[in-house]
Amino acid sequence: GAGVSQTPSNKVTEKGKYVELRCDPISGHTALYWYRQSLGQGPEFLIYFQGTGAADDSGLPNDRFFAVRPEGSVSTLKIQRTERGDSAVYLCASSSLGGPQETQYFGPGTRLLVL
Amino acid sequence: AQTVTQSQPEMSVQEAETVTLSCTYDTSESNYYLFWYKQPPSRQMILVIRQEAYKQQNATENRFSVNFQKAAKSFSLKISDSQLGDTAMYFCAFMSGNEKLTFGTGTRLTIIP
Repeated sequence: GAGVSQTPSNKVTEKGKYVELRCDPISGHTALYWYRQSLGQGPEFLIYFQGTGAADDSGLPNDRFFAVRPEGSVSTLKIQRTERGDSAVYLCASSSLGGPQETQYFGPGTRLLVL
Repeated sequence: AQTVTQSQPEMSVQEAETVTLSCTYDTSESNYYLFWYKQPPSRQMILVIRQEAYKQQNATENRFSVNFQKAAKSFSLKISDSQLGDTAMYFCAFMSGNEKLTFGTGTRLTIIP
């Protein structure tokens, strides 16, 4: 079946603009995760959804970052007033039920470049 | 807070040889999970192998195996009979009671034909 998909693949924006990044998880997966991967680093956790609710948003760096998952499927990561430091690859993952015994399946990521 | 350290930024090995990637971690938790993920140039992270801390037996998946030393907080990955398709970034990761994966900085592995 289809894996996790993310759109767009690449996004170039100007400092101060608003961007939305989309994640389509594997069908039926209730758990969804967002990570951010800066150049030369491993992914860093941003937020975790179980169904429609954000169960843990402790990784969001500040209030410019917000994520939603209104119907428990597709999720959108929203970044307001983008800064050059937001440039990174944003990865989305989903798993069947959540928890460490369930494999997190990752999408190919969205590469965001803030000029 | 948990930390994961990968001290080998880059490694290379001849095709068909065996290579070991190192990982150490720090935690005060007694029950946790450790993972190795592979990230090819396509950027898509792929789970290679998983180890549960309460299991003493080292996990194996075909050509991939781990050496888990709980007291030393060490979790190395051994790749046997390496293949060109193994060329990728490899990340060690940790998860305890919450849902967060904490990753190391990665090791770039190149398999030389």
